[in-house]
Amino acid sequence: GAGVSQSPSNKVTEKGKDVELRCDPISGHTALYWYRQSLGQGLEFLIYFQGNSAPDKSGLPSDRFSAERTGGSVSTLTIQRTQQEDSAVYLCASSSWGQGAGETQYFGPGTRLLVL
Amino acid sequence: GQQLNQSPQSMFIQEGEDVSMNCTSSSIFNTWLWYKQDPGEGPVLLIALYKAGELTSNGRLTAQFGITRKDSFLNISASIPSDVGIYFCAGGKASGTYKYIFGTGTRLKVLA
Repeated sequence: GAGVSQSPSNKVTEKGKDVELRCDPISGHTALYWYRQSLGQGLEFLIYFQGNSAPDKSGLPSDRFSAERTGGSVSTLTIQRTQQEDSAVYLCASSSWGQGAGETQYFGPGTRLLVL
Repeated sequence: GQQLNQSPQSMFIQEGEDVSMNCTSSSIFNTWLWYKQDPGEGPVLLIALYKAGELTSNGRLTAQFGITRKDSFLNISASIPSDVGIYFCAGGKASGTYKYIFGTGTRLKVLA
């Protein structure tokens, strides 16, 4: 597709369950970001992947959060043993690093996670 | 997490009025981005700024990269009802990894 896609668009889960969120970046984009947006708040950086480099995980709030990016394309954000405070919109963005146009991020529509 | 200071937090304006919002930081950035987010959607890029002092327009929107590289503003001229939404600034810099810091958002409501 032409843009960043995320799935599922909505996810309701019970406290303590694990969830996986998926992001398909724009084709050819080498950088991929995950953010969390709580209701009415700004975006909180979680993790950043750039090419084959080690990811920047400095924004992950706890060891229950992890992410991987397979083949330099699709990424999966996993939250283990979900808590109610994990309820938020999880946004993915991608960018084309080093292609002469500066670092411009394009966002997906987000996954709305509700932990009951 | 760290966020930029964005103001105003919210504003109600009459249709046809001009709108101005800004972001400030104690840090220097290489890039400033402005996004608009509609309810239930992801942020959509409006304007990207890459050089200090740069002034860029996109239709009724104009944004500037502050010469100190620590601030940016966004103006919307002759607002219309569909301008309603949340506007976010984002400052980016390449230091090891290229990360963006987002503003807290300006919630705009346009009264017809």
